[in-house]
Amino acid sequence: EVQLVESGGGLVRPGGSLRISCAASAFTFSDYSMTWVRQAPGKGLEWVSSISSSSSYIYYGDSVKGRFTISRDNAKNSLDLQMNSLRAEDTAVYYCARARLGSYYMDVWGKGTTVTVSS
Amino acid sequence: DIQMTQSPSTLSASVGDRVTITCRASQSINSWLAWYLQKPGQAPKLLIYSTSNLETGVPSRFSGSGSGTEFTLTISSLQPDDFGTYYCQYYNSYSVMFGQGTKVEIK
Repeated sequence: EVQLVESGGGLVRPGGSLRISCAASAFTFSDYSMTWVRQAPGKGLEWVSSISSSSSYIYYGDSVKGRFTISRDNAKNSLDLQMNSLRAEDTAVYYCARARLGSYYMDVWGKGTTVTVSS
Repeated sequence: DIQMTQSPSTLSASVGDRVTITCRASQSINSWLAWYLQKPGQAPKLLIYSTSNLETGVPSRFSGSGSGTEFTLTISSLQPDDFGTYYCQYYNSYSVMFGQGTKVEIK
């Protein structure tokens, strides 16, 4: 079964850093672009960042540009998001999602990992 | 940046009703539009892609249409399992933008 499993969420103080990860299984990870999407408590979905299959193209939403870094390791079937200078408004469930081959909408999603930024 | 606006924000309908949700883009987005359903405590699930293509396994009561800046998701006969929040999404090679969501409640 195609699966994405996020990990690494937790409580972090404002200004701190956190790295979350996504483990992919049952598909050829290196063929697919991947995306992080977040959802603040009681709010809608917000695109965070996307990375192409070979890491050649990387894009960020305006709210995280300069603070977050997306990366992937195709040998380990893993996707990471390094989050620095965290703010209270970064508190959210972070979802890892796969982009459909040849396009950019998301056809497979993980269950999410919760990041809480609070003092 | 392209902005996506959904309407209504909330709707309450009865089982068997025909339901329509609208998504408007601030400029033309061709057919690069997808629809998702998110139930409480769950990840979003893809329903429709490229405006009108039904994702495998999604019931045929769901359909999508539109072009340019105005798009619709229609549920031909609302079922109890269709409650949740629906999101439209614009996508291209370098950006993704979601609508703010439409919460569907079953009367």
